[in-house]
Amino acid sequence: GEDVEQSLFLSVREGDSSVINCTYTDSSSTYLYWYKQEPGAGLQLLTYIFSNMDMKQDQRLTVLLNKKDKHLSLRIADTQTGDSAIYFCAEFHNQGGKLIFGQGTELSVKP
Amino acid sequence: DTEVTQTPKHLVMGMTNKKSLKCEQHMGHRAMYWYKQKAKKPPELMFVYSYEKLSINESVPSRFSPECPNSSLLNLHLHALQPEDSALYLCASSQDSVGTQYFGPGTRLLVL
Repeated sequence: GEDVEQSLFLSVREGDSSVINCTYTDSSSTYLYWYKQEPGAGLQLLTYIFSNMDMKQDQRLTVLLNKKDKHLSLRIADTQTGDSAIYFCAEFHNQGGKLIFGQGTELSVKP
Repeated sequence: DTEVTQTPKHLVMGMTNKKSLKCEQHMGHRAMYWYKQKAKKPPELMFVYSYEKLSINESVPSRFSPECPNSSLLNLHLHALQPEDSALYLCASSQDSVGTQYFGPGTRLLVL
C-alpha cells in the first residue's frame, strides 16, 4: 500500500528532546521529507534525507533513516515553545510521481 | 529564495459564485501543484502541472478547474462549489516533477 504512518500526538517539556517517528512503505523512495505546519500556515520544508544516507544533522534537527525497517525519525534538540506545530513525514513515490504524507504528529511543547 | 506566494489569503464564496485562486513562484521551477487540506489532516493532491502541461489529475470534480498560463503562475478556478469544499488550498512548486516541493502559505476557503 501507500501508507506512511506517524503517531498523532507528542507532548514534551521545553528544553527536552523530541523524537517524532514515521514508517513508510515504498522501498524505492529516493527522498524522504519532514515538513512543519504551524496553525493557519502552509507547510514549511524542515529537512529531507536521501535514501542512501543513514543520518542527516542540521542544527537542532537530526534525521535518522533505517532502510531495513523503513523507519524514519526526526529528533529536535532543546525543544522550544515555537516548535509546537504539526510535523508531516512524506515519501516521494517514484512510480506514481507523488508525495505521500503521513497523518501528521501534533507536537505540544509545555513551558 | 524558496518562496511560493498565494492570493487571496482568505476567501468566502457562495455556492453559485465563480472565483479564482492564484499561485506564483519565481524560482524557475517547472512543476506546480494544487493540494487541498482539511484541518489537522495531511494535504491531498489535486493536480500536477509539469512544464505547463497537466500531468496528474486526482479525479477532482469538474467544479475545480486548474490553469497554468506560464511557468511561474498557477490558477485554480472555482465554480458551483459545495460547503464540503471548504478547506485550505495549498500550492507547491518543485524544480521538476520529482524534485523537492516547496509550499505556499495557502488560501483558506469557506463555501457558504
